[in-house]
Amino acid sequence: GAGVSQSPSNKVTEKGKDVELRCDPISGHTALYWYRQSLGQGLEFLIYFQGNSAPDKSGLPSDRFSAERTGGSVSTLTIQRTQQEDSAVYLCASSLFAGETQYFGPGTRLLVL
Amino acid sequence: DAKTTQPNSMESNEEEPVHLPCNHSTISGTDYIHWYRQLPSQGPEYVIHGLTSNVNNRMASLAIAEDRKSSTLILHRATLRDAAVYYCILRDKETSGSRLTFGEGTQLTVNP
Repeated sequence: GAGVSQSPSNKVTEKGKDVELRCDPISGHTALYWYRQSLGQGLEFLIYFQGNSAPDKSGLPSDRFSAERTGGSVSTLTIQRTQQEDSAVYLCASSLFAGETQYFGPGTRLLVL
Repeated sequence: DAKTTQPNSMESNEEEPVHLPCNHSTISGTDYIHWYRQLPSQGPEYVIHGLTSNVNNRMASLAIAEDRKSSTLILHRATLRDAAVYYCILRDKETSGSRLTFGEGTQLTVNP
């Protein structure tokens, strides 16, 4: 079946602009996660959604970052007033239930000029 | 989550076995040992996981020390497509929620 998809695959933006990154999880997966990977760095947890529960936002680096998950499916990660240090690969993953194997998408490569 | 220690890099030859070590001396009794790998320009993918007993699947084997303070991911016959960063991750389903905490991982190079 279809895996996790993300769009766009690449995004170039100017400093100060807002960006929206989209994640389509595997159908039926109740848990959805966002991570980011800066150049040469490991993966850093950002936010986690599980069903209708309040999301775990503890990994968001600043209040410029927000995410929502509509209808328990598609998720959008929004970065407001982008900064150059926001340049990274943003990865989305989903799992059938919390704590189960996570399946990752290909990521969105964000470059802030 | 407890910390894991892996070598920064390892090399192998194609069609030979590869043993990727992971130390986790502070592992707790409820920590599962997970392995993910990340191929170039791709998101991570699940490889295998275990708690106490050795595990086998189509991708790899996981050998867990009797005291659980270390484990080894075994690729039985490395191929060029196995070149990736391999991450050893401990997850306590009861207390750590669902996030994966990635370390630096081991960069595996497979020589033809």
